[in-house]
Amino acid sequence: QKEVEQDPGPLSVPEGAIVSLNCTYSNSAFQYFMWYRQYSRKGPELLMYTYSSGNKEDGRFTAQVDKSSKYISLFIRDSQPSDSATYLCAMDYGQNFVFGPGTRLSVLP
Amino acid sequence: DTGVSQNPRHKITKRGQNVTFRCDPISEHNRLYWYRQTLGQGPEFLTYFQNEAQLEKSRLLSDRFSAERPKGSFSTLEIQRTEQGDSAMYLCASSLQGHEAFFGQGTRLTVV
Repeated sequence: QKEVEQDPGPLSVPEGAIVSLNCTYSNSAFQYFMWYRQYSRKGPELLMYTYSSGNKEDGRFTAQVDKSSKYISLFIRDSQPSDSATYLCAMDYGQNFVFGPGTRLSVLP
Repeated sequence: DTGVSQNPRHKITKRGQNVTFRCDPISEHNRLYWYRQTLGQGPEFLTYFQNEAQLEKSRLLSDRFSAERPKGSFSTLEIQRTEQGDSAMYLCASSLQGHEAFFGQGTRLTVV
């Protein structure tokens, strides 16, 4: 079992839809949780950073962490074609960051 | 631009040659990470530095790979005797005390 699991997609949604992206993990030592957006042939761009269980909102993005279930989510409201990218979850337990494989999202105009 | 800077952006090399990549982190960040990413996969950890000390190396980092961070500032990643399997995107990230990590645009290596 991999430490971080993520549905690779591709996920296609119409413009304006609410998108839900998810990761599960097995290592309860993970303390910090991040979501990155990566456009093709570019470096990952940090979107959200959370520590505790619960929700964190930033504009159209909401990150949700459930440590008891070892499950994190990223919600994108009013999705735009410019949101089309690969979304990577990452987790940190103080030494380095472990990434999921990424979910490829396409938002269709 | 105060982000993480990586050079070169692209590198094409013949098998067996040595290559070196450079990473300039965000200036106040004390931690620096190297990751490797292949198509369709998430980044895989290679190594990380806290200031000038290399504190962890992945098993992925064979003896052909070496990384340095002299004086705790920029870092270099060298690959000796490159193989076709080394073709990947090499990503550098920096953070302050292990919190949010910010990535550079990466160096895309192609070994022919």
